[in-house]
Amino acid sequence: GAVVSQHPSRVICKSGTSVKIECRSLDFQATTMFWYRQFPKKSLMLMATSNEGSKATYEQGVEKDKFLINHASLTLSTLTVTSAHPEDSSFYICSASPARVADTQYFGPGTRLTVL
Amino acid sequence: AQKVTQAQTEISVVEKEDVTLDCVYETRDTTYYLFWYKQPPSGELVFLIRRNSFDEQNEISGRYSWNFQKSTSSFNFTITASQVVDSAVYFCALSEGPGTASKLTFGTGTRLQVTL
Repeated sequence: GAVVSQHPSRVICKSGTSVKIECRSLDFQATTMFWYRQFPKKSLMLMATSNEGSKATYEQGVEKDKFLINHASLTLSTLTVTSAHPEDSSFYICSASPARVADTQYFGPGTRLTVL
Repeated sequence: AQKVTQAQTEISVVEKEDVTLDCVYETRDTTYYLFWYKQPPSGELVFLIRRNSFDEQNEISGRYSWNFQKSTSSFNFTITASQVVDSAVYFCALSEGPGTASKLTFGTGTRLQVTL
């Protein structure tokens, strides 16, 4: 149990375009999902916390207008990188917490974004 | 503010050796959770263990064991008889409070290389 999927696993896009990444909890309902960013050989940096049905809470320094997060259901959260630039290239990882084990985050496989 | 320190950036061992990954944390909370995650080359974070601040019992799961010492604010992870498949980056993480999904503070990770 506690499987989280992400789609797509890899995406390459042109500078100025927008990219949407989906995060799904496959076998549990997740009232809270998290979005992280990881640079090569670095640790995970939390970007935002997403609660179903409400606005996401962004970490300091993360542009909410650039990284749009929607958590429309208990099994789906999306991250849209708007007007992507090469510096947005990174590994984006989502996680979800099951209500039954609310203190534990289970991670998706990640999405590698490359902006040309 | 919470902080997690993994002083070992990289460790290289030969298969069948035992290896201990260190984790030291800082928090002002009296109730908190500690985690270890494994990130293999594929990128997906694999949950290994969760320990709450009131439970200082050491835990063993197969070749894995964890030593939680509240007096030294450490939560070390030992792999016994290491195998090549153990090669990965291991992250220690800390979250605040029980009951609801809480933000994780990650350490910088320790890259473990197990060779034949």
